[in-house]
Amino acid sequence: DTEVTQTPKHLVMGMTNKKSLKCEQHMGHRAMYWYKQKAKKPPELMFVYSYEKLSINESVPSRFSPECPNSSLLNLHLHALQPEDSALYLCASSQDYGGEVSTNEKLFFGSGTQLSVL
Amino acid sequence: GEDVEQSLFLSVREGDSSVINCTYTDSSSTYLYWYKQEPGAGLQLLTYIFSNMDMKQDQRLTVLLNKKDKHLSLRIADTQTGDSAIYFCAESTGSGNTGKLIFGQGTTLQVKP
Repeated sequence: DTEVTQTPKHLVMGMTNKKSLKCEQHMGHRAMYWYKQKAKKPPELMFVYSYEKLSINESVPSRFSPECPNSSLLNLHLHALQPEDSALYLCASSQDYGGEVSTNEKLFFGSGTQLSVL
Repeated sequence: GEDVEQSLFLSVREGDSSVINCTYTDSSSTYLYWYKQEPGAGLQLLTYIFSNMDMKQDQRLTVLLNKKDKHLSLRIADTQTGDSAIYFCAESTGSGNTGKLIFGQGTTLQVKP
């Protein structure tokens, strides 16, 4: 299994709603990532989890709250979002993170959740 | 600072070769990657090259790396309509591989029948 599965595929929410995005992988990867991608732009890193601990937070607003319940699952809790937060949210995983120079940290991406905030 | 640049658009005829170019700035990059993104989908790793290599071939894909000029290219032979997508070049940066990728802006490849 070389898949990263994200749910839901599409989400529409109001600015007062609370919702969660989910991501799952069964490749035994120990690093998981959240990226945000606006249309026609490259993905921007938001968070990195390594061995279920938050390793990187790229100064993401607190209305985005990541959670890593176990090594296979990654959630992104959303609360009080703004319309400018509408984007494709991509989850990715890699075998390891922050390893040796020779390590090739190939990222495997999910298909994303297309989020619209009204 | 770290920067990866690509041209934004390339149009080719089916059956022709496509060459997508990328320049990067971080000379300490250990790996350079090419990702493909089809509409409404996530990124698919196409191929990668280690920085001590000049060339890597994988079926219809050929990656060329000119480390002196910090120039990377992806050649797709016999381009098909299914190759139409956005192609992102990316470098991994930092001492040790931090898993932090710096992506280019993406090149939209349009393949005409």
